[in-house]
Amino acid sequence: GQQLNQSPQSMFIQEGEDVSMNCTSSSIFNTWLWYKQDPGEGPVLLIALYKAGELTSNGRLTAQFGITRKDSFLNISASIPSDVGIYFCAGRLISNFGNEKLTFGTGTRLTIIP
Amino acid sequence: EPEVTQTPSHQVTQMGQEVILRCVPISNHLYFYWYRQILGQKVEFLVSFYNNEISEKSEIFDDQFSVERPDGSNFTLKIRSTKLEDSAMYFCASTGTGVFTNEKLFFGSGTQLSVL
Repeated sequence: GQQLNQSPQSMFIQEGEDVSMNCTSSSIFNTWLWYKQDPGEGPVLLIALYKAGELTSNGRLTAQFGITRKDSFLNISASIPSDVGIYFCAGRLISNFGNEKLTFGTGTRLTIIP
Repeated sequence: EPEVTQTPSHQVTQMGQEVILRCVPISNHLYFYWYRQILGQKVEFLVSFYNNEISEKSEIFDDQFSVERPDGSNFTLKIRSTKLEDSAMYFCASTGTGVFTNEKLFFGSGTQLSVL
C-alpha cells in the first residue's frame, strides 16, 4: 500500500523557535493534509492543500503541496507551548467523492524545552 | 463546532470476547469511517461506510470486524473475537455530503481498546 515517510520523527526545540517538518511519498496524492494530535485525542485538521504547488497559511502555520504531488512540508513559526503534540501528514487519493480514505504519515513529535 | 462523539472512551476486554465501539457522527453527515492507531504508531484506515454499506475497507478489516448503522444516529464497529493485537485507539470520523473535494474529515476523541 501507499506509504508516507515523515521526518523528523521527533523535535526538541525552545519556545520561540521555528519548526519545519516534511512528508514524502512514493506515490501521488490529490490532497495533502496536516493534523495535530494531542494526548488522548483524535487528530485535528490544521491545514489542507488541494493543488500541486499550493502554499497555504493558517496563523503561524504554513504548508506547501509539492509540485510532484509526492511531498509536503509544514512550518510553524515562533513556537509556543501549546504547539506541543504529534503532527501527522496525511494524503488523500479520491477515487470516489466522499471516500476520505487517508494515508497517514508516521508522525513528528514536537517537544518544547523550557 | 460540531463534534463526533465516541463511547466508551476506554474499553478493557478479555481475548476472544466481542466488543462494540460506538460513535455518533455529526448529524447531517453521510460518510462514516473507522480508523485505528496502535500505541506509538500512525493512524490507519479501517473502513468507510456510505448509504448503509461499506464503500472501502483495508486489509486490516478482516472477517472479525463489522460495521453497522443501526439507527439514524449511531455508527458502530464490532470486533467479534478480540485478539491481543486489536489493542489500539479506535477513531470514528465523518464527513458531509462528499460532493466537494475540500470537505473536512471530523475525528472523534477515540476509544482506547485494551485486550488482555
